This record gives sequence, C-alpha cells and structure tokens, in this order.
Amino acid sequence: AQSVTQLDSHVSVSEGTPVLLRCNYSSSYSPSLFWYVQHPNKGLQLLLKYTSAATLVKGINGFEAEFKKSETSFHLTKPSAHMSDAAEYFCVVSDPPGGTSYGKLTFGQGTILTVHP
Amino acid sequence: DTAVSQTPKYLVTQMGNDKSIKCEQNLGHDTMYWYKQDSKKFLKIMFSYNNKELIINETVPNRFSPKSPDKAHLNLHINSLELGDSAVYFCASSPPGQGGDTQYFGPGTRLTVL
Repeated sequence: AQSVTQLDSHVSVSEGTPVLLRCNYSSSYSPSLFWYVQHPNKGLQLLLKYTSAATLVKGINGFEAEFKKSETSFHLTKPSAHMSDAAEYFCVVSDPPGGTSYGKLTFGQGTILTVHP
Repeated sequence: DTAVSQTPKYLVTQMGNDKSIKCEQNLGHDTMYWYKQDSKKFLKIMFSYNNKELIINETVPNRFSPKSPDKAHLNLHINSLELGDSAVYFCASSPPGQGGDTQYFGPGTRLTVL
C-alpha cells in the first residue's frame, strides 16, 4: 500500500525566508508524487508533480520539490516565502498504473504554513 | 470558465435527511472522483468513476451512492444523514492519457449535519 508522511503539522517562517515542508513516502513501485495547496476555505490546487522524469520538479509560485529515492523523500521548498503562501500543503502519492485502484490518491496529513511579516 | 464546479457550496441539514451534492466538469475529462475531508483536514477518496463506470469504491457506508449520468457529471447522494457525515466533500476529475493521476479539484461542499 502507498502512504505518505508529512513530518511537520505546522511550519512557521518569516516573509522572505526559505520554506521547507518535509514529506516521506512509502511505495512498492516507482511512485507518482504530488504537492497540493489548500488556501483557507478554498479547494485544492496542484502545485507540482513528479512522475519519474527529472528528480527536481518545478511548480507554480516558485515552489519546487526534489525526489530522492534513497531517502524516500519528496520535500517541498521555496527560496523566499510570501504572505500569500500561507496555506495548508498536502503531499500526495498516486496508486500505480495497472491496478484496480489506479488514480487513487493517498494524502498526507497536511502541513500548515504560517508566514509572519 | 473551464473548471470543476460543485453545488451547493454549503449545505446545512438535519440528521436523518437525504441530500445530494452535484459535481460537473467541463474539462473533457474521463474520470471523476469524490473525496471527504474530515474536521482534522484529512482527505480520503470515496469513489471514482471512469466514463460513467465505477472503478474505485472505498469502504464507504451504503448510505452514500454516487451517480454519473454522463462523464461530465458525478453526483453524490447521501441517505439518512448522520452527525459524522459532517465534512467538506471535494469532487475532482482527471484527463485521459495522464493515467488518472493529475487531478483537478472543485471548490468543495461543506456539509453540516445538525
């Protein structure tokens, strides 16, 4: 079974400082991994995804994530936080192709990012 | 606008009632999903349909019944609502050829059962 663990339930940074949101995954296969963002009272927006191409994935709004197979990690980073980045972030793994549950997304517990002025 | 839309956005109802949430996507996607987000913000898939055919059915009470009249719509009907059904329900869709893994989410429906 696929699973993801987000190592921090809350992360607090100052505006202009780097952001690091940590995610470890567990998968029997070469996984597809995603980061989604949910702003307060809003739906989920795809930030970026990894599907076995380049290990460093660039997403929207200056975010990027690096797939490290040896560490089973897919941490999300941004060099400089903006106030508008304050939201909840979800690390997600997708069931692999060929199975009956292909397309099923398994979500991490979420990390709330707070950005201080 | 091209998007995944859900109605209603908010739904407040009494225990024991029957209610429906509608989802429509005009993105031309083949596959649609329903997710439940509980009070702790944990998101879990409930159902998935591909071209009107049920392909994922997680352990969900029989009171929940998805209905897909066509591939652009996936509605969720809930019978005999219980307090524990209070949650935010998200609809999503994914395009053909991307293997079902890039999913686009609707804005959510916040269901409150009193």
